Amino acid sequence: EVQLVQSGAEVKKPGESLKISCKGSGYRFISYWIGWVRQMPGKGLEWMGIIYPGDSDTRYSPSFQGQVTISADKSISTAYLQWSNLKASDTAMYYCAVRVREFSYGGLDYWGQGAPVTVSS
Amino acid sequence: QSALTQPASVSGSPGQSITISCTGTSSDVGGYNYVSWYQQHPGKAPKLIIYDVSNRPSGVSNRFSGSKSGNTASLTISGLQAEDEADYYCSSYTSRSTEVFGGGTKLTVL
Repeated sequence: EVQLVQSGAEVKKPGESLKISCKGSGYRFISYWIGWVRQMPGKGLEWMGIIYPGDSDTRYSPSFQGQVTISADKSISTAYLQWSNLKASDTAMYYCAVRVREFSYGGLDYWGQGAPVTVSS
Repeated sequence: QSALTQPASVSGSPGQSITISCTGTSSDVGGYNYVSWYQQHPGKAPKLIIYDVSNRPSGVSNRFSGSKSGNTASLTISGLQAEDEADYYCSSYTSRSTEVFGGGTKLTVL
């Protein structure tokens, strides 16, 4: 069974750094793209970026390029999303999700439970 | 890249059919057959219900169907049920090798 388990809720102050995680199991971690999606309170889904753990090929939405860093550690089947300088506007739910279909460039099949991040002074 | 355009809300009665549109450009929806649809109930993670324009993942009801014409994709839900009340999002692969979501549509089952 494919599962993505995300790290827990975070409360941080503006200017702080943060790294949240997403551990995959039940599938070959290095072979499938893992994406990150933001959902601000009461708002819609926003596609942030995606990584191929096998070779760390990473693509970012223009809206998030330079604002966050996506990475993966193959040895522990875990993907990460990190910030170096949090802002109040980063307050949101963050989902990781994996595409386990080959020969497709769209859609995310399995989702993590979400990680709420609150940034407040 | 701009978000794909969806109606903010649609509604229908049980048993009826509804269609949600998703309009993009030739750089996303119109250029690739990689449109997906997601269902999200309040407080839950999104669930993939259609991928590659018209394919249903295993376990998804055949009451959900997808199609595309030009720069507009559509999700049709037939035989509406109360449990279908949720937010629906489309997404598409883009010419930047990224994806983009639509703004979301709230479906109300009357």
